[in-house]
Amino acid sequence: DQQVKQNSPSLSVQEGRISILNCDYTNSMFDYFLWYKKYPAEGPTFLISISSIKDKNEDGRFTVFLNKSAKHLSLHIVPSQPGDSAVYFCAAKELTGGGNKLTFGTGTQLKVEL
Amino acid sequence: GAGVSQSPRYKVAKRGQDVALRCDPISGHVSLFWYQQALGQGPEFLTYFQNEAQLDKSGLPSDRFFAERPEGSVSTLKIQRTQQEDSAVYLCASSPTSGVGGELFFGEGSRLTVL
Repeated sequence: DQQVKQNSPSLSVQEGRISILNCDYTNSMFDYFLWYKKYPAEGPTFLISISSIKDKNEDGRFTVFLNKSAKHLSLHIVPSQPGDSAVYFCAAKELTGGGNKLTFGTGTQLKVEL
Repeated sequence: GAGVSQSPRYKVAKRGQDVALRCDPISGHVSLFWYQQALGQGPEFLTYFQNEAQLDKSGLPSDRFFAERPEGSVSTLKIQRTQQEDSAVYLCASSPTSGVGGELFFGEGSRLTVL
């Protein structure tokens, strides 16, 4: 069963506009969430994270929102740039009892067009 | 180099062959993880080491998969009698902490194709 779901396999956005990537999870024990970015032929790189005690975390152009009651998080990128074109993975973990492992979604391919 | 290094980058094996994939983590990183990423999927957890101790191997799909990190540094993932379903990218990641909040630094992966 897919405990972390990214239901949009792809997203296309114009340069300068906002990109919104969504992620849903089913495991209520998850209490720490991360977004990773992956370029072709490279490993995923950490982008931003959020703890379940917060509902928002911001880092420059990137903001992650967490709605714990809905088991939903989203990544906002504004303004979007062509270099943001990549696959974005949502990941989740249990800070206690989870064995230190991340559970990933299937990814969303973001394309930022000129 | 400063990052996580994996070798080989690409491996083609005939069904039934054994393969060994190597991971050289960032120097001093305590934690090391192996993930398997099938085509079109997200990375899936295989196993986790804290120094030389394998603390979690719950994600290894069968007893054909074996991982070790004997000196708490370099790790090897071995797959015996490879099957076509083993075709995937194998990602290694390391983290400087043993705590659960640490960010993971991933290598570029080893792409295994089993014919």
